[in-house]
Amino acid sequence: ETGVTQTPRHLVMGMTNKKSLKCEQHLGHNAMYWYKQSAKKPLELMFVYSLEERVENNSVPSRFSPECPNSSHLFLHLHTLQPEDSALYLCASSQARQGLDYEQYFGPGTRLTVT
Amino acid sequence: AQKITQTQPGMFVQEKEAVTLDCTYDTSDQSYGLFWYKQPSSGEMIFLIYQGSYDEQNATEGRYSLNFQKARKSANLVISASQLGDSAMYFCAMREIQDSNYQLIWGAGTKLIIKP
Repeated sequence: ETGVTQTPRHLVMGMTNKKSLKCEQHLGHNAMYWYKQSAKKPLELMFVYSLEERVENNSVPSRFSPECPNSSHLFLHLHTLQPEDSALYLCASSQARQGLDYEQYFGPGTRLTVT
Repeated sequence: AQKITQTQPGMFVQEKEAVTLDCTYDTSDQSYGLFWYKQPSSGEMIFLIYQGSYDEQNATEGRYSLNFQKARKSANLVISASQLGDSAMYFCAMREIQDSNYQLIWGAGTKLIIKP
């Protein structure tokens, strides 16, 4: 495996279900991110982990719970979601450092539908 | 106020023509970085090009170039000799030095469709 992988690619869940999204990066990076992408809206940064510590939580509802057990893996645990949570969830990683010019590498995303 | 504005929700361009995708930004920082990403229908965001605010020359990467006009706060992406595979969503993003977490701020994107 290379780059950033995400599983599952597609997920349909009911509002009472509990599920988890998984992200794995094979790039040796030290930071990982969860983004939400809804139609016709800019990407919304949800969570940032740097060196396995959460450094950003952009007012995300508690029904989304991230977990970063090590620098290569990132999970997003989902429970009691709402239909408006249906979106593409993108994971990204980067070699975060001082400076501005480092890019983020993205996975293919998980298309989530909440019924 | 939006920090990144992409005024073109969608564009149709004939194959082999050059295309310019607009991006304007708003920041009070003197030091910032600007990025362009491509998102094909497969969903993965692909990094294309980067321009630093202190870079004197416009960035270029193969068929991609960035028309950076600092005074106008614009960072337009130029794709030369467009190809069918260039059909995708294109996003402009910015990173500001005042943000200690160096987060990317994203525009809403432009959907580019290349016609054969």
